[in-house]
Amino acid sequence: DAGVIQSPRHEVTEMGQEVTLRCKPISGHDYLFWYRQTMMRGLELLIYFNNNVPIDDSGMPEDRFSAKMPNASFSTLKIQPSEPRDSAVYFCASTMTGYEQYFGPGTRLTVT
Amino acid sequence: DAKTTQPPSMDCAEGRAANLPCNHSTISGNEYVYWYRQIHSQGPQYIIHGLKNNETNEMASLIITEDRKSSTLILPHATLRDTAVYYCIVRVAMTPDYKLSFGAGTTVTVRA
Repeated sequence: DAGVIQSPRHEVTEMGQEVTLRCKPISGHDYLFWYRQTMMRGLELLIYFNNNVPIDDSGMPEDRFSAKMPNASFSTLKIQPSEPRDSAVYFCASTMTGYEQYFGPGTRLTVT
Repeated sequence: DAKTTQPPSMDCAEGRAANLPCNHSTISGNEYVYWYRQIHSQGPQYIIHGLKNNETNEMASLIITEDRKSSTLILPHATLRDTAVYYCIVRVAMTPDYKLSFGAGTTVTVRA
């Protein structure tokens, strides 16, 4: 299995631009999570899905952030408009059992 | 979920056992102890979890005290590749809520 796949691995954009991060979970996993990691705040859960349905989005920082999961093999995290304080590493993770979450390699986002 | 306390950092000699402590004095009866690690520039990686019995897998051993208020992750023969931040997390396993709350963790440096 290829593991959790995230794209792009690095993204540099200017303030005000729309950013879309992509994630492909491990096949058969019915839970998908989006996390954000910064030096100041550590690793934070933004939102998670079960069977493509958002279950808890209480970690989404504000309305500029949105996440979708149109099917079992694809999810997006969108930031519109982006701001410098959104600069972070964004991780996607998936699980089937709930005991182990498998994380992707992350997308390093830099907003200038 | 119960709060955990870990030392901020520790060093270990290559080839020796690394013993990583974690305090979770407010743990509830249905909460499990999980360990994850994050190697630099990678996503977090699941290591092991347990409820009250000691557990061992190919990566590590988990020793949980009888009162369950603390635990120790043991890396039996540390290698340079084990240098990482190690997170101890306590949460209920069998629940629709699959959130993982990562604290600051312990930065483990394995030295040759």
